[in-house]
Amino acid sequence: DGGITQSPKYLFRKEGQNVTLSCEQNLNHDAMYWYRQDPGQGLRLIYYSQIVNDFQKGDIAEGYSVSREKKESFPLTVTSAQKNPTAFYLCASSPGQGHSPLHFGNGTRLTVT
Amino acid sequence: GQSLEQPSEVTAVEGAIVQINCTYQTSGFYGLSWYQQHDGGAPTFLSYNALDGLEETGRFSSFLSRSDSYGYLLLQELQMKDSASYFCAVRDGGRDTGRRALTFGSGTRLQVQP
Repeated sequence: DGGITQSPKYLFRKEGQNVTLSCEQNLNHDAMYWYRQDPGQGLRLIYYSQIVNDFQKGDIAEGYSVSREKKESFPLTVTSAQKNPTAFYLCASSPGQGHSPLHFGNGTRLTVT
Repeated sequence: GQSLEQPSEVTAVEGAIVQINCTYQTSGFYGLSWYQQHDGGAPTFLSYNALDGLEETGRFSSFLSRSDSYGYLLLQELQMKDSASYFCAVRDGGRDTGRRALTFGSGTRLQVQP
């Protein structure tokens, strides 16, 4: 079955450490996205990529970095520059053509202490 | 920029009908979407309106009025499993007319009671 895989489901890190969240999709989608969700809040866009080797900043890109070297993969690095990194991170993909719904992974809950 | 407003919480009983409203402000507009998210889970797509009017999909319907920058999600014959958060989202031009990402509202938490 096609889908989006985020790993790990739970991640714990010490303050000051960079951490990379994995996102892999086998839906053959061109576009991929990273959203951050804080408790009781909506999803805020961190970065998105419409095609391999290209990506754009979203609304809250500071303290994050991404790469898109392969169509299937869009890893997100949370750097030590991110002031409040503890959150639920959701990766999504879409075909990228016209209106196409986002398909989400099950998320990674990152806790930084 | 873009912003969306929706109520934070709604409570209803099983079998009832509930309407979740969403108003939006965007620099461009390419449609209003609705997503459902159960606690701790992934958001899943429910519906999309690009044109004015009502779209019906089973027990769920979604309405859009572009002139009022307003839409709603209507859930009929509520079931306990409908207890979840519901998000409206718009795709707009934002600062970059090529932007194809969705901007989400803060979500409405629906609690269905027996």
